[in-house]
Amino acid sequence: KAGVTQTPRYLIKTRGQQVTLSCSPISGHRSVSWYQQTPGQGLQFLFEYFSETQRNKGNFPGRFSGRQFSNSRSEMNVSTLELGDSALYLCASRSGTGGYEQYFGPGTRLTVT
Amino acid sequence: DAKTTQPPSMDCAEGRAANLPCNHSTISGNEYVYWYRQIHSQGPQYIIHGLKNNETNEMASLIITEDRKSSTLILPHATLRDTAVYYCIVRLLGSSNTGKLIFGQGTTLQVKP
Repeated sequence: KAGVTQTPRYLIKTRGQQVTLSCSPISGHRSVSWYQQTPGQGLQFLFEYFSETQRNKGNFPGRFSGRQFSNSRSEMNVSTLELGDSALYLCASRSGTGGYEQYFGPGTRLTVT
Repeated sequence: DAKTTQPPSMDCAEGRAANLPCNHSTISGNEYVYWYRQIHSQGPQYIIHGLKNNETNEMASLIITEDRKSSTLILPHATLRDTAVYYCIVRLLGSSNTGKLIFGQGTTLQVKP
């Protein structure tokens, strides 16, 4: 079974721009979660989607948003990028029906200049 | 979710068992202990989880004390590829927060030849 895939793997943006990251979960998984990882704050939960509905949201500003499609693929969007948004963005999927283990993708490395 | 405490770093000789401790003294009766690891610049990888009984899989063993206030992850024969940051996480399953993992700082395990 193919793992979680994320695109793009690397991205460079300028302050003030917006960015969209994509995540394809493991086939059959209905839950997708997003995390931000920075050297200073470590791994922090952004939000979780299950069957196209946001179930949980972390403590991030409204500039961070996401959505999930009917095929469980998910996107996250960051608007009005700031230098502090430079991070590794990780997506994780789980089946959502009794399977509680989360499987992470390789991440998207975003650099904001 | 209960708070966990882990040593910031540990060393282990290649081929020897690596024993990684985790303290979770405020764990409640229906919270599970999960372990993930993150090899440099990759997404975290699920290792094992347990409630009260000891668990073993192809990657590791999890020993949970009888009072459940601490646990130990055991890698029976550590290799250089096991060098990673290991995270101990306590999760309440079945709740609306099931998809939200709270990562601490973890333990950096350095396996040395």
